[in-house]
Amino acid sequence: GQQLNQSPQSMFIQEGEDVSMNCTSSSIFNTWLWYKQDPGEGPVLLIALYKAGELTSNGRLTAQFGITRKDSFLNISASIPSDVGIYFCAGPRFMDSNYQLIWGAGTKLIIKP
Amino acid sequence: EAGVAQSPRYKIIEKRQSVAFWCNPISGHATLYWYQQILGQGPKLLIQFQNNGVVDDSQLPKDRFSAERLKGVDSTLKIQPAKLEDSAVYLCASSPVYSPNTGELFFGEGSRLTVL
Repeated sequence: GQQLNQSPQSMFIQEGEDVSMNCTSSSIFNTWLWYKQDPGEGPVLLIALYKAGELTSNGRLTAQFGITRKDSFLNISASIPSDVGIYFCAGPRFMDSNYQLIWGAGTKLIIKP
Repeated sequence: EAGVAQSPRYKIIEKRQSVAFWCNPISGHATLYWYQQILGQGPKLLIQFQNNGVVDDSQLPKDRFSAERLKGVDSTLKIQPAKLEDSAVYLCASSPVYSPNTGELFFGEGSRLTVL
């Protein structure tokens, strides 16, 4: 089936460090989305990417749409405590006459005190 | 603008009992989704409504799960009878009708179900 593979599964970092995570697929996506889920909350859209090679920033977050259209990367610079949470990549696929969002399993970010 | 409202936030039931979750989407959003999120996994779509019609329910276990959106606004998801493996967070999301292919969904806080 169609899958999005996220790595790493979890990250333990010190406050102030930069963070990098990625998402890969065996299939091409025309849109890549990065969501963040805080504990006890629903996911919130951080960045949307619509074009291969596109690099988009949102504050300290930067995401890239891979040239092959089979991967995407999310970087967080100078991490702060509120960055803790689970980061999901997702991409819409047209299946059975409808767009469905395919989700990765998430990268859990933990900041060491 | 008010966000997606869900209730209850938490529910604990025994297996074979029934449970219902309620969702009120963002005003004006035609599309409503119910997702199941098991601990350590990404959300899994159960059902998608466009106004009061079902667009996709291919992953809904129809022998025990049902959902309705009678007036095209709020929605109810029911599980009867519940199984242990139904323990999860049930997320409701909505989107404006024009954005399904961009994937921008607005989620509620979720309803956490524990089945004992």
